[in-house]
Amino acid sequence: GNSVTQMEGPVTLSEEAFLTINCTYTATGYPSLFWYVQYPGEGLQLLLKATKADDKGSNKGFEATYRKETTSFHLEKGSVQVSDSAVYFCALQGGSEKLVFGKGTKLTVNP
Amino acid sequence: GAVVSQHPSRVICKSGTSVKIECRSLDFQATTMFWYRQFPKKSLMLMATSNEGSKATYEQGVEKDKFLINHASLTLSTLTVTSAHPEDSSFYICSARVVRSDTQYFGPGTRLTVL
Repeated sequence: GNSVTQMEGPVTLSEEAFLTINCTYTATGYPSLFWYVQYPGEGLQLLLKATKADDKGSNKGFEATYRKETTSFHLEKGSVQVSDSAVYFCALQGGSEKLVFGKGTKLTVNP
Repeated sequence: GAVVSQHPSRVICKSGTSVKIECRSLDFQATTMFWYRQFPKKSLMLMATSNEGSKATYEQGVEKDKFLINHASLTLSTLTVTSAHPEDSSFYICSARVVRSDTQYFGPGTRLTVL
């Protein structure tokens, strides 16, 4: 079945540091890929998505590229801020329209 | 656009009582809504898929009679936790899928505590 594996946290960075959160997936066919962010005490918010190979999703300085050859969708940001502190979830959606989530990576950014 | 609300945001109830959680799409119509459960420090677990006007489809291991789902309109789905027990305490999140889109938009979640 479909599955998502993302790097375990927690990840702690200083403000303005470079961020990478790795995400790899296993799926049949050609799934859509997503990154969701969950701020403390809140529900999930869609951060970015990509629907086909080589697509790059981007939002709020975050980027992720759909790499079919490596089955990856790593999240990156060049310079993180304290306000980026949250839990980040990688997810895929196959033909059944169900979202399959990774376990989440908690990011803490210190001033 | 694409805002999903949940009510209540927090609820505390006694063991044995029933609790209803509402999920509304505020500015779009959602033929499909999803209910998830999130345990502390863990990922989201899909409980059921709710389609407007039809019975919900439950994931394996989710009790249909305990978690009643109703999707009465294109903007409202409800989850009723019946005869709640302390082990039902969790964070329940709904999402709604925009018609003709693969994107799900999530509600802010409901924190249920059963005493």
